[in-house]
Amino acid sequence: DADVTQTPRNRITKTGKRIMLECSQTKGHDRMYWYRQDPGLGLRLIYYSFDVKDINKGEISDGYSVSRQAQAKFSLSLESAIPNQTALYFCATSDISGAQPQHFGDGTRLSIL
Amino acid sequence: KQEVTQIPAALSVPEGENLVLNCSFTDSAIYNLQWFRQDPGKGLTSLLLIQSSQREQTSGRLNASLDKSSGRSTLYIAASQPGDSATYLCAVRPISSGSARQLTFGSGTQLTVLP
Repeated sequence: DADVTQTPRNRITKTGKRIMLECSQTKGHDRMYWYRQDPGLGLRLIYYSFDVKDINKGEISDGYSVSRQAQAKFSLSLESAIPNQTALYFCATSDISGAQPQHFGDGTRLSIL
Repeated sequence: KQEVTQIPAALSVPEGENLVLNCSFTDSAIYNLQWFRQDPGKGLTSLLLIQSSQREQTSGRLNASLDKSSGRSTLYIAASQPGDSATYLCAVRPISSGSARQLTFGSGTQLTVLP
């Protein structure tokens, strides 16, 4: 089984819908991250969490929210999806000694029509 | 604001060739620089991490160098193989980000090694 699992892997939805992307990890890491990747652009940080009670905004948090339900679970929500949120989304983790992501999930490809 | 550039966006080489991928960044105040590999439909895999005090790191056929003062890093791949085909991204961790420690990524170089 993958160390960092993202569900769903692909999602097509309509403008205005609420969407939740889920991430779970078996690494036992405290730190979790959500990134988005757009064609021709690098990854950009949306939110990150250093432990269950610590949630921080990243570079592009507007339009997104997150929930850290447990050490192993970190969910990303789009409250009212819009087409420019169409992108590839990655979850990542790092241990307490790692201040940057070490292990990535395989991504969720999200299309908003 | 830190900006990371990777040129070219795509590169195609015949198998067996040695090659160099380039990464440049605008602010030399960094903790480290990291090279990742991304395969289609997969997440990123860390290849090499160079601390700001280091000049290079090696792993197998890969060698990454860092020239912080000029804002440049290179990833050297020796004796390329078709299995090296992937997108290679570099990312820097700026000192100026403080506790956020946000990585700034380049857009990547898509490498194709032809059999």
